[in-house]
Amino acid sequence: AQTVTQSQPEMSVQEAETVTLSCTYDTSESDYYLFWYKQPPSRQMILVIRQEAYKQQNATENRFSVNFQKAAKSFSLKISDSQLGDAAMYFCAYRSARGGSQGNLIFGKGTKLSVKP
Amino acid sequence: EAQVTQNPRYLITVTGKKLTVTCSQNMNHEYMSWYRQDPGLGLRQIYYSMNVEVTDKGDVPEGYKVSRKEKRNFPLILESPSPNQTSLYFCASSPKTRGWETQYFGPGTRLLVL
Repeated sequence: AQTVTQSQPEMSVQEAETVTLSCTYDTSESDYYLFWYKQPPSRQMILVIRQEAYKQQNATENRFSVNFQKAAKSFSLKISDSQLGDAAMYFCAYRSARGGSQGNLIFGKGTKLSVKP
Repeated sequence: EAQVTQNPRYLITVTGKKLTVTCSQNMNHEYMSWYRQDPGLGLRQIYYSMNVEVTDKGDVPEGYKVSRKEKRNFPLILESPSPNQTSLYFCASSPKTRGWETQYFGPGTRLLVL
């Protein structure tokens, strides 16, 4: 069974600085998707960024980028120029491309990010 | 606006009183799912549905029921709620394209069972 591990329960960053959140996963599959979701205090689950495993190029969305290392099964999130609004819980998630029950989202336990002014 | 809606957003109830949390999406998505979120445990899947009349258990289905009579709706039913079902619940949906791709989440329903 696939698993997702976020080894940093909490992290802190100074406003305008850069922070990297770690995520590792375990799978025997070659085709899958990886996601980072943000959960602010409102509790809404917001998609931050998505990576397709068959694409070698790392995904980027404005200040958010990932470092996808398929062989190492690592999927870290880098937030550049951190803003106060980035303070939230961040969840890494895995999803098989196979569909059916294998296509269910598997979440890590989350990393709580604080941003200091 | 494309969205997933859930109702109610907040609910306080008592043990044993049947309740239903509704979920509706307007994106014509085939796949819908329910999760519960508990501190320190992340999100865990309760039930999912790959299309109308097709549902299956997730990781924590005990004490819950679902139905998928229409593509847009996927209600979560607690027939006899217990205090251990106090949690934050999310509904999500996604299209069936290449694989199942991105899931879009509803705003969450916070449930307290006394």
